[in-house]
Amino acid sequence: KQEVTQIPAALSVPEGENLVLNCSFTDSAIYNLQWFRQDPGKGLTSLLLIQSSQREQTSGRLNASLDKSSGRSTLYIAASQPGDSATYLCAVRGQGGSEKLVFGKGTKLTVNP
Amino acid sequence: EAGVAQSPRYKIIEKRQSVAFWCNPISGHATLYWYQQILGQGPKLLIQFQNNGVVDDSQLPKDRFSAERLKGVDSTLKIQPAKLEDSAVYLCASSLMTSGFYNEQFFGPGTRLTVL
Repeated sequence: KQEVTQIPAALSVPEGENLVLNCSFTDSAIYNLQWFRQDPGKGLTSLLLIQSSQREQTSGRLNASLDKSSGRSTLYIAASQPGDSATYLCAVRGQGGSEKLVFGKGTKLTVNP
Repeated sequence: EAGVAQSPRYKIIEKRQSVAFWCNPISGHATLYWYQQILGQGPKLLIQFQNNGVVDDSQLPKDRFSAERLKGVDSTLKIQPAKLEDSAVYLCASSLMTSGFYNEQFFGPGTRLTVL
């Protein structure tokens, strides 16, 4: 059974700092991995999707890497801003491609002005 | 393009009452998902539809939860009777399916349910 763990559970940083959020998964036979952002009281916004054959994806100040063999992914946020404050969730999909997304519990990020 | 729509946004009921949630996916998305997100947890899949057929409902508490997707578009999720532990945010998501594989999921704003 796939399990996804996100460390740390919460993170508080000053504005402008570069930071890394970690995601680990127990079964390396994944089809893809997706990073989401969730603002309080809102739904999930997809940030980056990495296919199992890819090593990283970039979007603006965000960079996500994937190391399937070690069961790890990292989300790098450059030059953090107060508007980046949210909960970041990692989710993996099984190798069949049709299997459900399994989510971690998320990392709550606070960027202080 | 319009995103995933859900209603209501908030609902407060007493235990043993019934409640229904509605979801309209992104136009053209054949796959629809209902997730339950308890406070402090990641979303958990309740049921997945492909068009109007059920693909996965292994984590749906079928004694009290039911869902349907008539005509392969809109979907409703019902809870009857509700329990205190059903208090959560119910998220609907949709995705395209190409060449037999699923793609990026897009989520609606969710319905926050409080059971008193």
